[in-house]
Amino acid sequence: AQRVTQPEKLLSVFKGAPVELKCNYSYSGSPELFWYVQYSRQRLQLLLRHISRESIKGFTADLNKGETSFHLKKPFAQEEDSAMYYCALSPTGGFKTIFGAGTRLFVKA
Amino acid sequence: DVKVTQSSRYLVKRTGEKVFLECVQDMDHENMFWYRQDPGLGLRLIYFSYDVKMKEKGDIPEGYSVSREKKERFSLILESASTNQTSMYLCASSLEESPNQPQHFGDGTRLSIL
Repeated sequence: AQRVTQPEKLLSVFKGAPVELKCNYSYSGSPELFWYVQYSRQRLQLLLRHISRESIKGFTADLNKGETSFHLKKPFAQEEDSAMYYCALSPTGGFKTIFGAGTRLFVKA
Repeated sequence: DVKVTQSSRYLVKRTGEKVFLECVQDMDHENMFWYRQDPGLGLRLIYFSYDVKMKEKGDIPEGYSVSREKKERFSLILESASTNQTSMYLCASSLEESPNQPQHFGDGTRLSIL
């Protein structure tokens, strides 16, 4: 079964500390993986996708096929990073996207 | 920039009412989606559509139906609203020309069924 697991519902870190939001997936093929973010009172929006291999707002995510993980990392958290983060998987050639339950990141001053 | 517009930000309805949630996108996207967003459950797909008049059930279609008469508009219908359908509803759209395109979301409709 295709599944996305985000083990942490809430992650709280201090400003300037490193942050890692965990994401594990279950899929037999080669999926397309995404991180979406929802800031307070804003719409859900794409943060980054693994195929782009880019850093957005200082965040990076590496696909580890051996561990079936796609963790989101940032070396120095900022208060404005506080938001809800969703990891998502799109099967090869498919239209549907499967979302994890989300992790709320809270960056303390 | 893609604009996905949901007709209402907040909606309050009564049990048993027929409820319509409307979504319009302005970027000629083929694919459109309806999700509900609940704390601890993430986003769950209700229905999606990959073309006009085409629709496919998602993971939780029970109690819902959809309509896509025009490419830009995708409507979610609660046939007979129940209290367990109180939730945040998100509409999204994406391009068809290559699969696995990221989705663009609307602001959401917070629906309360009393």
